[in-house]
Amino acid sequence: QKEVEQDPGPLSVPEGAIVSLNCTYSNSAFQYFMWYRQYSRKGPELLMYTYSSGNKEDGRFTAQVDKSSKYISLFIRDSQPSDSATYLCAMSGVLTGGGNKLTFGTGTQLKVEL
Amino acid sequence: NAGVTQTPKFQVLKTGQSMTLQCAQDMNHEYMSWYRQDPGMGLRLIHYSVGAGITDQGEVPNGYNVSRSTTEDFPLRLLSAAPSQTSVYFCASSYSRSGSSYNSPLHFGNGTRLTVT
Repeated sequence: QKEVEQDPGPLSVPEGAIVSLNCTYSNSAFQYFMWYRQYSRKGPELLMYTYSSGNKEDGRFTAQVDKSSKYISLFIRDSQPSDSATYLCAMSGVLTGGGNKLTFGTGTQLKVEL
Repeated sequence: NAGVTQTPKFQVLKTGQSMTLQCAQDMNHEYMSWYRQDPGMGLRLIHYSVGAGITDQGEVPNGYNVSRSTTEDFPLRLLSAAPSQTSVYFCASSYSRSGSSYNSPLHFGNGTRLTVT
């Protein structure tokens, strides 16, 4: 079983829809949770970063972490065609001086249709 | 400010050939790393470095070598290419020696697409 599970999609929604993307994980040591966005033929770029449980909002994006359920979510409000990309969740444990290694989900491909 | 630059963008190798994937960053980042991305597997860490002269293995290091002689450059060497090394390779860097953190996210290059026949 993988440490991080993510539905690969593809997920297709109409413009303006609310999108919900999710990851589950098994390692209770994970404390830092991230969402990366990856456009086709590009490298991932950091979208949201949260520590421990709770919510974080940034414009149309909201990240939620539920450590008791080992479940994280990314919500996109008023989705736009420019949001069409692959969304990767990533997480890590306590920061160390030896390099903080991230564990990534496989990514969910999202397409927002006009 | 170019960020993280990877060359080449595409490469085709025959089994047994060797090659070096180049990675350079101009952000004075201490931490640099190499990932491979495969369908259904996500991004997996190959090797990383927390500073010039310091490297360490990640999750999938076999068949790859790295060195870090300068802060800017972190080349990845394939010693004897195998079809199982067909993948998209990403170099990533961050300011913090601890790797990714709130104030120091990972910055990725745009990848090298490698096919081994």
